[in-house]
Amino acid sequence: EVQLLESGGGLVQPGGSLRLSCAASGFTFSNYAMTWVRQAPGKGLEWVSAISTLSGSTYYVDSVKGRFTISRDNSKNTLYLQMSNLRAEDTAVYYCAVSNLNYDRADYWGQGTLVTVSS
Amino acid sequence: QSVLTQPPSVSAAPGQKVTISCSGRSSNIGNNDVSWYQQLPGTAPKLLIYENNKRPSGIPDRFSGSKTGTSATLGITGLQTGDEADYFCGAWDTSLSVGVFGGGTKLTVL
Repeated sequence: EVQLLESGGGLVQPGGSLRLSCAASGFTFSNYAMTWVRQAPGKGLEWVSAISTLSGSTYYVDSVKGRFTISRDNSKNTLYLQMSNLRAEDTAVYYCAVSNLNYDRADYWGQGTLVTVSS
Repeated sequence: QSVLTQPPSVSAAPGQKVTISCSGRSSNIGNNDVSWYQQLPGTAPKLLIYENNKRPSGIPDRFSGSKTGTSATLGITGLQTGDEADYFCGAWDTSLSVGVFGGGTKLTVL
């Protein structure tokens, strides 16, 4: 059974940093691209970032470019999202998801971790 | 404002059929596959349809997908109260090199 467990969310002040983790199990992690998707309170889904199987390619939505860094450790079956210079508009539940190699779908989703940016 | 356009809400009676539209452009829906997601209240999204019209294992055939040009449609037949959820379409945008979603459609089963 595929399991994705996000952690690292919490309350952070504007301008602060957080690192989210996503521990994966139940599938061969290194064979799949991975994606982060967020959902602001009461809002829709927003695609944030994706990374290829061997970390050779990374992609970011414009609003997080230069502030967020996606990475993965295939030896630990873990996906990361390093977030810096956080803004109020980054407040959301962050989901990690298993993607296909074309990044055009998210097959499995974690339960999400809440990031709140507020003073 | 979302890159893909969905109606904010749809409704129908139990047992009836409903369709949800998703409109995009050539850089996303027009040249890439569309996926659909169901998000039940308080839960994470779940993949419902991929590659425009394919259902993952465990998804009942009451759910269907189609795509024509730069638009896609999700169909749900035999509506049940348990189908009340938010539904999102998604695709890769080749021009932006990012994934894109619709704003979501809230389904109410009256």
